Amino acid sequence: EPEVTQTPSHQVTQMGQEVILRCVPISNHLYFYWYRQILGQKVEFLVSFYNNEISEKSEIFDDQFSVERPDGSNFTLKIRSTKLEDSAMYFCASISGQGGLAGTGELFFGEGSRLTVL
Amino acid sequence: GDSVTQMEGPVTLSEEAFLTINCTYTATGYPSLFWYVQYPGEGLQLLLKATKADDKGSNKGFEATYRKETTSFHLEKGSVQVSDSAVYFCALSDRRGSQGNLIFGKGTKLSVKP
Repeated sequence: EPEVTQTPSHQVTQMGQEVILRCVPISNHLYFYWYRQILGQKVEFLVSFYNNEISEKSEIFDDQFSVERPDGSNFTLKIRSTKLEDSAMYFCASISGQGGLAGTGELFFGEGSRLTVL
Repeated sequence: GDSVTQMEGPVTLSEEAFLTINCTYTATGYPSLFWYVQYPGEGLQLLLKATKADDKGSNKGFEATYRKETTSFHLEKGSVQVSDSAVYFCALSDRRGSQGNLIFGKGTKLSVKP
């Protein structure tokens, strides 16, 4: 069964360091997403990506965050200068979106990458 | 803005007990409603969904009915199993039919004891 894979599963970093979280969405999917969940809080939408550009982003997704699809298979989330409050579980997701509609198909999530900022 | 509120956990039940996890929402327009489940060590998986009022979503013995009058989408299962132990997330999408940009509740952890 196709799945979304994320690496690393857990990363510990020092405040101010750059972090890159990697995701491999399902191969024929067209829409990609990052969500995060701070411990004990809600899962929150960060950003959506389609056709090699950001289609929507939340207030959380400030200038410290960026996303990229560098090679047609990976989808990365970069945090330029991590803060303590960036500690969270980050989930990547993808949806088929065939026909140009994100509404088609099921949203598939990865297992998450836990980021701990010290 | 739109929001989802679900009952606080954790919920601990014995096998074969009846399960209800409450979920209420606040939204303008006509949201689609979802329940996602996260088993230990895995990602979130869609459990069931409903896209309009009075729709009932069902899967794996779980059911939830989209109640517009009470703005609720409570999850129920008549007889839980140990394998149902997981975290359950209620979510809504404020775009008709779209599942991409979701608003989640905090999640409810369910533990089922043999």
